[in-house]
Order: sequence, then structure tokens, then C-alpha cells
Amino acid sequence: AQSVTQLGSHVSVSEGALVLLRCNYSSSVPPYLFWYVQYPNQGLQLLLKYTTGATLVKGINGFEAEFKKSETSFHLTKPSAHMSDAAEYFCAVLSGGYNKLIFGAGTRLAVHP
Amino acid sequence: GAVVSQHPSRVICKSGTSVKIECRSLDFQATTMFWYRQFPKQSLMLMATSNEGSKATYEQGVEKDKFLINHASLTLSTLTVTSAHPEDSSFYICSASPSIQLNNSPLHFGNGTRLTVT
Repeated sequence: AQSVTQLGSHVSVSEGALVLLRCNYSSSVPPYLFWYVQYPNQGLQLLLKYTTGATLVKGINGFEAEFKKSETSFHLTKPSAHMSDAAEYFCAVLSGGYNKLIFGAGTRLAVHP
Repeated sequence: GAVVSQHPSRVICKSGTSVKIECRSLDFQATTMFWYRQFPKQSLMLMATSNEGSKATYEQGVEKDKFLINHASLTLSTLTVTSAHPEDSSFYICSASPSIQLNNSPLHFGNGTRLTVT
């Protein structure tokens, strides 16, 4: 069965520091992987997604993620954190039938001055 | 770009009453819509998948008689929480896709509905 594990429910970084949010996946079929961001009391916004092809995926707001099959990972990074990046981040994988999205538990990113 | 509109954004209802939440795709035909529930500081839990014109498929543990889902058109799905109780208070989010298969089709999310049952 497909699943994602997000390591670290809370991550805190200084403004300007590297952001690294970890996600490991399990999939019995070629994985389709996603990162979403959620601001308080709002829906989800897609940051980026991996389908096939290039393993380094660039998304919005300066985020990127690298698909590493050997490590079953899809970690999200941003070179320099902004205060506005403070939010909840969810990693997700499509189900085996590619007809549902399965979310990880989420990581709350705090950015301090 | 494609937009999914969810209404209302917030609703307060009394225990025992029913409340309806609407999810509309504004510029595409939503063949498939999903309803999620999110408890505070937790992840999204898929409640059900609805395909236009057919009965919704509920996830294990979700009471279909309590959470009524209707997907009568390609642009509208509704979730009705019947006989609401305080434990139904939660953040409900819908998403919609023009296709049943999500690997080659976008999935768009509404902005969620905060339900408070008093």
C-alpha cells in the first residue's frame, strides 16, 4: 500500500536559513509525489509534484524537491527561508490505482527572525 | 487557472441540525470530487470519493448516513452533515479533478469550511 512518512512534525528555522522538510514514501507502483502548503484556515496549495522524468523538481516560491528512488525519499528544500514560508507542509503520494491522494501527517514550519 | 469554490467558509450550527457544504468547480468539469476532514493540527483524512452521477465511495469508518455526499452535476458536489454533534466540528476540505485518474490530471482544492457545532 502507498504511504508517506514526514519526519519531524515541527521544524523551526531562522529567516534566511535553509529549509529542509523530509518525506519518505512507500509505493508498490511508480510513485507520483506531491508537496502542498497550507496556511491557517485555508485549503491546500500545490508547491510541486514529481511524475516521471527529471528527479529534481522545481516549484513555486523557490521550493524544490528531489526524488530519490534508492532512498524512497522526496525531501523539500528552499535555500533561504522567508517569514512568509511559515505554514503547514504536506507530502502526498497517489494511491496504487492513481485515483486517490494519500497525505503524510504534515510538518509545521516556523520561521523566526 | 482552475478554481474550486467551497461554501460556506465558516458555519456554526446547533447540535442535532444538519448543515450542507458546497464544492463547485468554476472553470472545469469535475468528474471526480473528494471530501476530506482535518482535525486541528492533523493531516487530511479522506472521507469519500464522488464521481458525477454515481454514488460516493466512502472510506472505511466514515458513516455514509451521517455524511451525505451528492455529486449531481459536473460542477457541484455537496456534503451534508446530518444531525450534527459537537464531535463533528472540524475543517472540511473538498478537492476536484477533471479525471478519475490523478496521475495525468490536476487536483484542485477548495479553501475549506470550518464547521462548529454547539
